Amino acid sequence: DAGITQSPRHKVTETGTPVTLRCHQTENHRYMYWYRQDPGHGLRLIHYSYGVKDTDKGEVSDGYSVSRSKTEDFLLTLESATSSQTSVYFCATSTSDREDGYTFGSGTRLTVV
Amino acid sequence: SQQGEEDPQALSIQEGENATMNCSYKTSINNLQWYRQNSGRGLVHLILIRSNEREKHSGRLRVTLDTSKKSSSLLITASRAADTASYFCATVPLWGSARQLTFGSGTQLTVLP
Repeated sequence: DAGITQSPRHKVTETGTPVTLRCHQTENHRYMYWYRQDPGHGLRLIHYSYGVKDTDKGEVSDGYSVSRSKTEDFLLTLESATSSQTSVYFCATSTSDREDGYTFGSGTRLTVV
Repeated sequence: SQQGEEDPQALSIQEGENATMNCSYKTSINNLQWYRQNSGRGLVHLILIRSNEREKHSGRLRVTLDTSKKSSSLLITASRAADTASYFCATVPLWGSARQLTFGSGTQLTVLP
């Protein structure tokens, strides 16, 4: 997990509140990704970024937005948290669009009550 | 959607034994990757094998790829208690990119001391 820091590590929030998760990398990787991990569903891509201010939607993007104003930071915002967004969120980075493995952060466990 | 499916879902072996996990996928791929996830941690990239490769080694890990059967196997030799983790395969589609990296649901490996 060296080089990727996710914050916070744990968060409990109330339904309807906005939540922002932060991913900070020191790897200088161009590509960054947000995944959620749920039992029975594996890892699913929420959003990804292929450069500063360049982002696109993944498989499960509804209810989420992202921003990347600097190479090292990728923010995931839950606009109005719902219980279905209770999950473990992982940030990942890669140097290449397809020829490289990912480096993952340690995850953020989010509980929406 | 899950492209890769690991088999078995759970595997328990004694320390020193070999562990074999299998992954099957549905569509043509550019590459296939294996990851390890320790409990409560992020995923760690283990090995990437390209579609034109049949076998790859890294330390105690051996990965094979059979594109005609759309399957891959991960062999861990001389297992250790520290190998206890979940193991995931992930595929990049032939004409796709890393944002389309799709993870399977994983094999939970337990190595008993």
